[in-house]
Amino acid sequence: DTGVSQNPRHKITKRGQNVTFRCDPISEHNRLYWYRQTLGQGPEFLTYFQNEAQLEKSRLLSDRFSAERPKGSFSTLEIQRTEQGDSAMYLCASSLAVGSYNSPLHFGNGTRLTVT
Amino acid sequence: DQQVKQNSPSLSVQEGRISILNCDYTNSMFDYFLWYKKYPAEGPTFLISISSIKDKNEDGRFTVFLNKSAKHLSLHIVPSQPGDSAVYFCAARNSNSGYALNFGKGTSLLVTP
Repeated sequence: DTGVSQNPRHKITKRGQNVTFRCDPISEHNRLYWYRQTLGQGPEFLTYFQNEAQLEKSRLLSDRFSAERPKGSFSTLEIQRTEQGDSAMYLCASSLAVGSYNSPLHFGNGTRLTVT
Repeated sequence: DQQVKQNSPSLSVQEGRISILNCDYTNSMFDYFLWYKKYPAEGPTFLISISSIKDKNEDGRFTVFLNKSAKHLSLHIVPSQPGDSAVYFCAARNSNSGYALNFGKGTSLLVTP
């Protein structure tokens, strides 16, 4: 098991362009989360999936953001019409939930987005 | 609104001494607390957690203490090692209203030889 994998590691894009990031969770984990981290802040929750179902979304997730986890395995996060304020580190995490047990989140190394 | 607060942005400790990182929270419904460690250019790595039914949890050199009445938790690292130098994030969750973790802003720990 190689942990949570995120691609690309870095993305530079021009304002107004669309970007898509990919996350491959730990294979046996059924929950997948997206967080965003800006400089000097802790990670901020965006959304999470239980298998393929998106169960919770933060108010930070504007209508320009969409996340999918079509087969309950990997996930994509798309940002449409990027703005400079979208520049941040986008972190993916996964966990195993069985009954009332939810393992700690395991994070990937993130995708750093720079919008110019 | 910041529900998890780490009021010390940085801390410097000598190797071999104890490092104490503090965290306060405002939401009394939080029932699970975690500490993560983050090196530059890497994602946060889980360190240790504690449920609200306990007041202490220990794992090797790391101990987390929870004071529910004060809404305060702390992470003790004994003895501190230079490899412990990283940013430490406190996080909390209310298991009854979703599984989102609320993170503090982090404390940068520097352990000097």
